[in-house]
Amino acid sequence: EAQVTQNPRYLITVTGKKLTVTCSQNMNHEYMSWYRQDPGLGLRQIYYSMNVEVTDKGDVPEGYKVSRKEKRNFPLILESPSPNQTSLYFCASTRKGLAGETQYFGPGTRLLVL
Amino acid sequence: AQSVSQHNHHVILSEAASLELGCNYSYGGTVNLFWYVQYPGQHLQLLLKYFSGDPLVKGIKGFEAEFIKSKFSFNLRKPSVQWSDTAEYFCAVNPRLYNFNKFYFGSGTKLNVKP
Repeated sequence: EAQVTQNPRYLITVTGKKLTVTCSQNMNHEYMSWYRQDPGLGLRQIYYSMNVEVTDKGDVPEGYKVSRKEKRNFPLILESPSPNQTSLYFCASTRKGLAGETQYFGPGTRLLVL
Repeated sequence: AQSVSQHNHHVILSEAASLELGCNYSYGGTVNLFWYVQYPGQHLQLLLKYFSGDPLVKGIKGFEAEFIKSKFSFNLRKPSVQWSDTAEYFCAVNPRLYNFNKFYFGSGTKLNVKP
């Protein structure tokens, strides 16, 4: 079954304690993205990756890092989480195409930073 | 900066009423357009998409959307809503210039359908 998986699904942590949210896709997609969803703001792109070892900042990259060492995985790293990073996070993947393609979203990770 | 505007933040309808949700974007070049739906507690699912061709596109569950290039709009419609359509709806724009992985989302419209 084609899917995007994220772990963990729920996470409560404290300010400053480094954490990683994993994302994996089994569709051999080149493009992957991380979004955060906040009430009234919709989804905002944090980082995206065009392929292995190719990443770039989205609209709200501050406080986040990513890596893309393998095609299927795109972890999101919060080196020093702060309460304003409390949010719902979605990973997405897209197949590379000329006309644009549909994004497939993971189930989401709800993060609470105390 | 590019922006996507969804003017209706919260819509309440009775079953069988018609639905139209507005979406306007600011990007002047060629775009791909999407509507996603998010049911309570779930991730986003694609409702429909427009890449090129007929500006009236049909999606799943009886939804359709019309791309009006001159108005930079991509409004979502459904002739007769059901209680199961209660969800949040997001419009998304993918500017096609050179980066197929840059997406801009609207702030969402929460639809509440009363049985």
